[in-house]
Amino acid sequence: GQNIDQPTEMTATEGAIVQINCTYQTSGFNGLFWYQQHAGEAPTFLSYNVLDGLEEKGRFSSFLSRSKGYSYLLLKELQMKDSASYLCAAMDSNYQLIWGAGTKLIIKP
Amino acid sequence: SAVISQKPSRDICQRGTSLTIQCQVDSQVTMMFWYRQQPGQSLTLIATANQGSEATYESGFVIDKFPISRPNLTFSTLTVSNMSPEDSSIYLCSFRPPGSSVEQYFGPGTRLTVT
Repeated sequence: GQNIDQPTEMTATEGAIVQINCTYQTSGFNGLFWYQQHAGEAPTFLSYNVLDGLEEKGRFSSFLSRSKGYSYLLLKELQMKDSASYLCAAMDSNYQLIWGAGTKLIIKP
Repeated sequence: SAVISQKPSRDICQRGTSLTIQCQVDSQVTMMFWYRQQPGQSLTLIATANQGSEATYESGFVIDKFPISRPNLTFSTLTVSNMSPEDSSIYLCSFRPPGSSVEQYFGPGTRLTVT
């Protein structure tokens, strides 16, 4: 079956760095997405990885290892506004997104 | 980038009634999707709606309960029929921008409460 695993909740301190891990199992693979979702709002696109390696975009970076079925989202210089849920989603061979349950990130001052 | 809107943003409905949610994109898109997100949970795909063809429903969702229309390349509706409290959820429409086969963008969502 298809499955996405990510931690339910993480806590970090303002100004610090946090890494949110995601492992996936899908029928075929067409890339790994990260979305940010603030409470009561729609998910917003953060990153897309289809090749192995690290993609950096400002304070956010995303890493993919296809052989390990593993990705992480790295958030640097954390700000209070980064408190949100982070959703990992893998795209299968039919170009369908398989979603994880999301990681709720709590930032403390 | 395309802008997507949904109406209504929220509603409180009586058991047994139906609600139609509208989704409007400000540019033409081929693929549109309808998702449900129950409180504290991730996204569940209800159906894919491509213009000019019948919607494709995911396991556990049927057309009689969630009829979808896709009359043109900028608009779609999802109806939640014969509602029960279990249908209380956030309903999100989503699309893939023209020329992109992978990225998806989401509307602001419709928060439905069934009493």
